[in-house]
Amino acid sequence: NAGVTQTPKFQVLKTGQSMTLQCAQDMNHNSMYWYRQDPGMGLRLIYYSASEGTTDKGEVPNGYNVSRLNKREFSLRLESAAPSQTSVYFCASSSLVNTEAFFGQGTRLTVV
Amino acid sequence: GQQLNQSPQSMFIQEGEDVSMNCTSSSIFNTWLWYKQDPGEGPVLLIALYKAGELTSNGRLTAQFGTTRKDSFLNISASIPSDVGIYFCAGPGSGNTGKLIFGQGTTLQVKP
Repeated sequence: NAGVTQTPKFQVLKTGQSMTLQCAQDMNHNSMYWYRQDPGMGLRLIYYSASEGTTDKGEVPNGYNVSRLNKREFSLRLESAAPSQTSVYFCASSSLVNTEAFFGQGTRLTVV
Repeated sequence: GQQLNQSPQSMFIQEGEDVSMNCTSSSIFNTWLWYKQDPGEGPVLLIALYKAGELTSNGRLTAQFGTTRKDSFLNISASIPSDVGIYFCAGPGSGNTGKLIFGQGTTLQVKP
């Protein structure tokens, strides 16, 4: 079972460039999330989608946009990357009833 | 907003020792989750707790849902080198969205 799959695994961007991080889950989960992880900061929620067709801001949404393309896929877009967005990004999914979330392996993004 | 505070922030122990860590909140949680993150990987769910006072084991790991519903504890017995990593507690955010709130993490290092 693939679980939660994120692409790419690594990316280097120049300041001002744009990119989209892709995430897909095969567990038929309703809810999907994007977190960023920075040293000493734990996991901070950027955006989440409680169900297909809905998205909501999390703790640190500025500079990001998301699209819940269908039940399986939830993408995160950086329109104009900044060095402050250098981080490790994790996608996760969970069912609504059971809040246990399952994580992808992460995307390590560096903005120079 | 809701916050989870983990302690200690880091631990450096000898192989074979037992480990205890905890997670506290200023608000009541109905579910407590414990995750482990290996270096370079995404968090993996270890134990889920759903009832105040509940004590659940997973191999050498034991977690408890505090009776006040504002705290939870994770114990690791007879630590081994592969226990190294970051341990996160998490709980559902307010509302029924499935959104998870994470603690800052406890970093565990084990000396062989």
